[in-house]
Amino acid sequence: GDSVTQTEGQVALSEEDFLTIHCNYSASGYPALFWYVQYPGEGPQFLFRASRDKEKGSSRGFEATYNKETTSFHLQKASVQESDSAVYYCALGLMQQGTGSKLSFGKGAKLTVSP
Amino acid sequence: VTLLEQNPRWRLVPRGQAVNLRCILKNSQYPWMSWYQQDLQKQLQWLFTLRSPGDKEVKSLPGADYLATRVTDTELRLQVANMSQGRTLYCTCRVTGGGQDTQYFGPGTRLLVL
Repeated sequence: GDSVTQTEGQVALSEEDFLTIHCNYSASGYPALFWYVQYPGEGPQFLFRASRDKEKGSSRGFEATYNKETTSFHLQKASVQESDSAVYYCALGLMQQGTGSKLSFGKGAKLTVSP
Repeated sequence: VTLLEQNPRWRLVPRGQAVNLRCILKNSQYPWMSWYQQDLQKQLQWLFTLRSPGDKEVKSLPGADYLATRVTDTELRLQVANMSQGRTLYCTCRVTGGGQDTQYFGPGTRLLVL
């Protein structure tokens, strides 16, 4: 079945550090890939997406590049801030006949940034 | 811009009792609406996608039974029964057009079991 693997459960950084959160996927078709961010007490917020090989998605200083060869979509940010502390989810979306698009999520990575 | 409203925002549910949740879409031009659950370990899982008024689906998962109904173009409901562990339910709408195809989440309804 379609699945997303995020290996980091927790990431602890200091302000201005470089961030990488890994995301690998397995899918039978050609999925769209997403990053969502969730702050405490809120629903997941869409960050950005990519739908083609080598396409880069980006928003708010975060970016990821769709890599079909390595089946990856790793999230990166050059310089994190304390306000970036949140849980980050990688997801894949596949169109399904008659049911629209369903998202499959990784387990999430909790980012904590210290001042 | 807030696309979705959910109520209640939280509820204490006595064990064995069912609870009814509502999701209101503020823009009826987005027909595809879905429910997702988030368990206590924060794992997000798709439950249903319903497009048309009158659509209904049921599903049993570990820890809860669900009945989803698309009531109108702008209202989605979810009944949660036989819940054994707390969870949060989110509705989404799929926004397409202008080069985008993205699902946006509502604020969620958090359910706690008494």
